Amino acid sequence: DAGVIQSPRHEVTEMGQEVTLRCKPISGHDYLFWYRQTMMRGLELLIYFNNNVPIDDSGMPEDRFSAKMPNASFSTLKIQPSEPRDSAVYFCASSSGPLDGELFFGEGSRLTVL
Amino acid sequence: GEDVEQSLFLSVREGDSSVINCTYTDSSSTYLYWYKQEPGAGLQLLTYIFSNMDMKQDQRLTVLLNKKDKHLSLRIADTQTGDSAIYFCAENPGGYQKVTFGTGTKLQVIP
Repeated sequence: DAGVIQSPRHEVTEMGQEVTLRCKPISGHDYLFWYRQTMMRGLELLIYFNNNVPIDDSGMPEDRFSAKMPNASFSTLKIQPSEPRDSAVYFCASSSGPLDGELFFGEGSRLTVL
Repeated sequence: GEDVEQSLFLSVREGDSSVINCTYTDSSSTYLYWYKQEPGAGLQLLTYIFSNMDMKQDQRLTVLLNKKDKHLSLRIADTQTGDSAIYFCAENPGGYQKVTFGTGTKLQVIP
């Protein structure tokens, strides 16, 4: 398997623009997670899905952020409108291993909002 | 959520042992994990320990768990330059899939 695939790897945009980050989890994994990594806050869980259903979105910072998982092989994280403080690396991870919480991470999407 | 705490930085000489410490928060965590993040990459699971164990050894890695103090440590024997990375301690409160990560410890290995 190719692992968790994220796109784009890098995104530079201007404040106020819409940003869409994409993720393809490992086939057969029934959990999908979106994390955000910054120097100030470290690694924060934004939202996670089980069998395409959002289970916990308490980490989503505000209404500007939304996430969807229309099917088992695709998820999006959307920021609209984007702000400079949203600049971070966004990671998608998937899981379905025998170990609760063993996560497989993508390489991340580095977002810069000017 | 609650903070899983780690020291931010550790520097060791090549060939020495490295010990990275972590204080976690939830005694109900079923597993405790160590993840490694190399520059420009996502996190990778390095090793884990089941909560009813005190110690786990895996080649150059030794994990020690002190449940009373909620303290977890990772020892890397014969540290190599390729071990330079950020190491994250993680727990799964309540034993669920949701994982909480520590702040990360940046390990620098000096040749």
